[in-house]
Amino acid sequence: GAVVSQHPSRVICKSGTSVKIECRSLDFQATTMFWYRQFPKKSLMLMATSNEGSKATYEQGVEKDKFLINHASLTLSTLTVTSAHPEDSSFYICSASLFRWGQQQETQYFGPGTRLLVL
Amino acid sequence: AQTVTQSQPEMSVQEAETVTLSCTYDTSESDYYLFWYKQPPSRQMILVIRQEAYKQQNATENRFSVNFQKAAKSFSLKISDSQLGDAAMYFCAYSSEEKLTFGTGTRLTIIP
Repeated sequence: GAVVSQHPSRVICKSGTSVKIECRSLDFQATTMFWYRQFPKKSLMLMATSNEGSKATYEQGVEKDKFLINHASLTLSTLTVTSAHPEDSSFYICSASLFRWGQQQETQYFGPGTRLLVL
Repeated sequence: AQTVTQSQPEMSVQEAETVTLSCTYDTSESDYYLFWYKQPPSRQMILVIRQEAYKQQNATENRFSVNFQKAAKSFSLKISDSQLGDAAMYFCAYSSEEKLTFGTGTRLTIIP
């Protein structure tokens, strides 16, 4: 259990275009999903917290107009990189929180990631 | 703010041997969770093990176990009987209110 998918796994786009990345929890409902960015050989950097039915909470330094997040259902969150530029090229990973009975806090389960290359 | 420190950028271990990865953290909270995640070359983040801070007993998952020292704010991961499939980047992570704070990772190489 606790499977999270991401689509697409890899995308190449031209500078100035927008790209949408989907994150789905396949076998559980997640009221909270997270979006991370990972640079080569670096750790994960939290970009934003996505709550179903409400606005996302962005981390300091992350442009909310640049990275649009929508969490329209308990199994789907989307990240749209608007007017993408080469510096937005990165590996984007989502996670979904699962609260298991008997535990006091959720555990995050991660999607396989999306590699974005902006030319 | 919470910080997580992994002081070993790289580690290697002979196949079938045991290796311990170090992690320390800094927090003023009393209630929190600690995790070890594994990221193989596929880059999929995989949960290895989790530890609730209020539990004194160290968590164990098959060949993986932790040494949780709350007073010292230390959370090391021991991998027994290392296998080739254990080769990956290992991230220690801290969570207090859902958000995860990751360490910089330790790259583990398994020597056949």
